[in-house]
Amino acid sequence: DAGITQSPRHKVTETGTPVTLRCHQTENHRYMYWYRQDPGHGLRLIHYSYGVKDTDKGEVSDGYSVSRSKTEDFLLTLESATSSQTSVYFCAISDPRTGLETQYFGPGTRLLVL
Amino acid sequence: QQQVKQSPQSLIVQKGGISIINCAYENTAFDYFPWYQQFPGKGPALLIAIRPDVSEKKEGRFTISFNKSAKQFSLHIMDSQPGDSATYFCAALGGGSNYKLTFGKGTLLTVNP
Repeated sequence: DAGITQSPRHKVTETGTPVTLRCHQTENHRYMYWYRQDPGHGLRLIHYSYGVKDTDKGEVSDGYSVSRSKTEDFLLTLESATSSQTSVYFCAISDPRTGLETQYFGPGTRLLVL
Repeated sequence: QQQVKQSPQSLIVQKGGISIINCAYENTAFDYFPWYQQFPGKGPALLIAIRPDVSEKKEGRFTISFNKSAKQFSLHIMDSQPGDSATYFCAALGGGSNYKLTFGKGTLLTVNP
């Protein structure tokens, strides 16, 4: 998984609870992405980062926030989890040095919101 | 608005057969078209990709065919093997962004032995 780890790998939480997912990379890639994967929807971009402290919204950003204080870490926070946020979350990385268009994905975090 | 439409949703092929997955796009500014392969419990991994200046790209048993005028591209898996059983996603990139991928909804391929 291209030097990408995600934690936790599995999480069960209750509606209304804050949740933070972590993506850590050892590749020193500049760009990092958070996607969610749901049956029948493929992969949808939530937020992305193009550098430390530089982030922007993707197509399904409502209810999510992100932070990137170090090159290697990209955090995704669900401020108040809802059942509609039950999903598998993937982090991805890319870099201009190796081709921004080629994204490498982490192993995913499976989140269940009860 | 779904910008990349993928079909079929699922596909069953016998070992040794040809698997064909199709994608159509709407944005003519897209200029990079990758296919990702995903095994259960794993993240997607880049399989093969093509740019619109060529009509076909082949890597081993995997071939992308690209039809710019029809705004369609397809993945062909020759001599399909049970180990090819996975979910396949097409994607597109471009149109003002060189890093935002737009994915199709995926095709679950099952290759029977």
